[in-house]
Amino acid sequence: GDSVTQMEGPVTLSEEAFLTINCTYTATGYPSLFWYVQYPGEGLQLLLKATKADDKGSNKGFEATYRKETTSFHLEKGSVQVSDSAVYFCALGNDYKLSFGAGTTVTVRA
Amino acid sequence: GAGVSQTPSNKVTEKGKYVELRCDPISGHTALYWYRQSLGQGPEFLIYFQGTGAADDSGLPNDRFFAVRPEGSVSTLKIQRTERGDSAVYLCASSSGQGRNEQFFGPGTRLTVL
Repeated sequence: GDSVTQMEGPVTLSEEAFLTINCTYTATGYPSLFWYVQYPGEGLQLLLKATKADDKGSNKGFEATYRKETTSFHLEKGSVQVSDSAVYFCALGNDYKLSFGAGTTVTVRA
Repeated sequence: GAGVSQTPSNKVTEKGKYVELRCDPISGHTALYWYRQSLGQGPEFLIYFQGTGAADDSGLPNDRFFAVRPEGSVSTLKIQRTERGDSAVYLCASSSGQGRNEQFFGPGTRLTVL
């Protein structure tokens, strides 16, 4: 079945540091890939998505590229801010069903 | 506009009791989903409604779990004879149309079974 494996946390960074969170997947067919974010005390929000191979999703300075050859969708941000502290979830969507990774907690210190 | 809302936000119950969790989707969204998120894990799919009918309930863990959406809007997740292992955050999401449209999540209901 479909599954997502993402880098375990927690990750602690200083402000303006580079962030990478690795995500790989196993799936049948041609899934869409997503990154969701959960800020403290808030619900899950879609951060970015890519619907086919080689697509790049981007939002709020975050980027991720759908790599079919390596079955990966790594999240990157060049310069993080304290406000980026959150739990990040990689997810795979096959038709209507989302399969999530376990989440990576990121803390950015000033 | 209003997002997905869920009530209650927290529910504490005793082992063996019956609970109902409610989800109000975004107005006009025909698709509704329930997920369960255990501590330290990502959400896991439970059930998907398209309109009033459950199009896929393959994620429901056993027959103690049941969900309804009688008028194609509000949904209720029902858990009978609760067990301590049912403790988790139950998330509801909705989307327009069907298939690959973005799912918008509610804040969740934290269920604790003592």
